[in-house]
Amino acid sequence: DTEVTQTPKHLVMGMTNKKSLKCEQHMGHRAMYWYKQKAKKPPELMFVYSYEKLSINESVPSRFSPECPNSSLLNLHLHALQPEDSALYLCASSQVDRDGEKLFFGSGTQLSVL
Amino acid sequence: AQSVTQLGSHVSVSEGALVLLRCNYSSSVPPYLFWYVQYPNQGLQLLLKYTTGATLVKGINGFEAEFKKSETSFHLTKPSAHMSDAAEYFCAVSEAGGTSYGKLTFGQGTILTVHP
Repeated sequence: DTEVTQTPKHLVMGMTNKKSLKCEQHMGHRAMYWYKQKAKKPPELMFVYSYEKLSINESVPSRFSPECPNSSLLNLHLHALQPEDSALYLCASSQVDRDGEKLFFGSGTQLSVL
Repeated sequence: AQSVTQLGSHVSVSEGALVLLRCNYSSSVPPYLFWYVQYPNQGLQLLLKYTTGATLVKGINGFEAEFKKSETSFHLTKPSAHMSDAAEYFCAVSEAGGTSYGKLTFGQGTILTVHP
């Protein structure tokens, strides 16, 4: 299994809703990431988890709340989002081998905030 | 601080022609450099990366890139374009020896169009 699986693929939510994005990998990777990608823009790092502990938070607003319940799962809890938060949210995980570290991306969740 | 500049937001080539996507970087420490490809509504797939050693790096799908420190460049090439190469390509940089390659700085992306 060499996949990072993200669900749902598409999500539409109102500004008062609470929703969660889910990410799963079974490659034994101990680092997992959330990236945000606005339309026609490059991905921007949001959070990094290393060994299930939050190691990097790129000054992300608190309406985004990450959670890493175990080494295979990564969640992103969403609450009181704004229309400008509409974007593709990408999850990634990484492994280290003799060639160095490699990052594997999921297909993303396309989020629309109304 | 690191940054990446991709010259040309759109590149158009004919099928069978040479593909050249340009990337220049800025880094205060030795960089690790990457090229990723993204198809519509998909995540990013690693094409190739440079960390240390040989400066000409071969990747998947016939792509290669050459690290030129004197020019601070890492241009992506493919001798003969295929229709399936049409996608968006991102160059990225991270700090060498950093604890996490996931902390990447991406360029703005180049959309490659391949004409029959």
